[in-house]
Amino acid sequence: QSALTQPASVSGSPGQSITISCTGTSSDVGTYNVVSWYQHHPGKAPKLMIYEVNKRPSGVSNRFSGSKSGNTASLTISGLQAEDEADYFCCSYAGSSTWVFGGGTKLTVL
Amino acid sequence: QVQLQESGPGLVKPSETLSLTCSVSGGSISSYYWSWIRQPPGKGLEWIGYISYSGSTNFNPSLKSRVTISLDTSKNQFSLKLSSVTAADTAVYYCAREGFTAIDYWGQGTLVTVSS
Repeated sequence: QSALTQPASVSGSPGQSITISCTGTSSDVGTYNVVSWYQHHPGKAPKLMIYEVNKRPSGVSNRFSGSKSGNTASLTISGLQAEDEADYFCCSYAGSSTWVFGGGTKLTVL
Repeated sequence: QVQLQESGPGLVKPSETLSLTCSVSGGSISSYYWSWIRQPPGKGLEWIGYISYSGSTNFNPSLKSRVTISLDTSKNQFSLKLSSVTAADTAVYYCAREGFTAIDYWGQGTLVTVSS
């Protein structure tokens, strides 16, 4: 199992949109529409923001959206707010009841 | 709202066994699958393995020979044991619940340091 690749950091100003990519392989992201995204404030429990590529759990703002093309999944946050500043990581089903994660991306709201 | 909380020693000696427990509240452990995940300092997350509500298990092949996960339905808890630890096992360890198509609830994590 190889980790999914994410940019180490992204930044944006309040009100702008940003996109975080998550690149895997044909053994995980490319084959399964079971990609999820998490928001993680250090010291707190990670929070599920997107599941099954583009679905939002109840209570998650519609400013968060997900997509996938080939072996790369993406998380887009529109209308950036200060409270969005956090670490974000992706996760994909990798077959045989296993999971693989991204390295995480630190989002800074300027 | 399901909540998970990890507990256990924060310091383990090399070659010994790391033992952690996850207490689940707000839901029964007799449903779903329950996972352990870790994040070494400065590195990405690594899935360790899961135990199902029925007691079946599955592990990351890279850790399989050293991992045991067990379930205690009477206490609504599940546990991780990782044997023969080295400094490479130093990490924040998370317990989590696997929903149908996502790992949907996580604990806050607990740092375990392997050092003599």
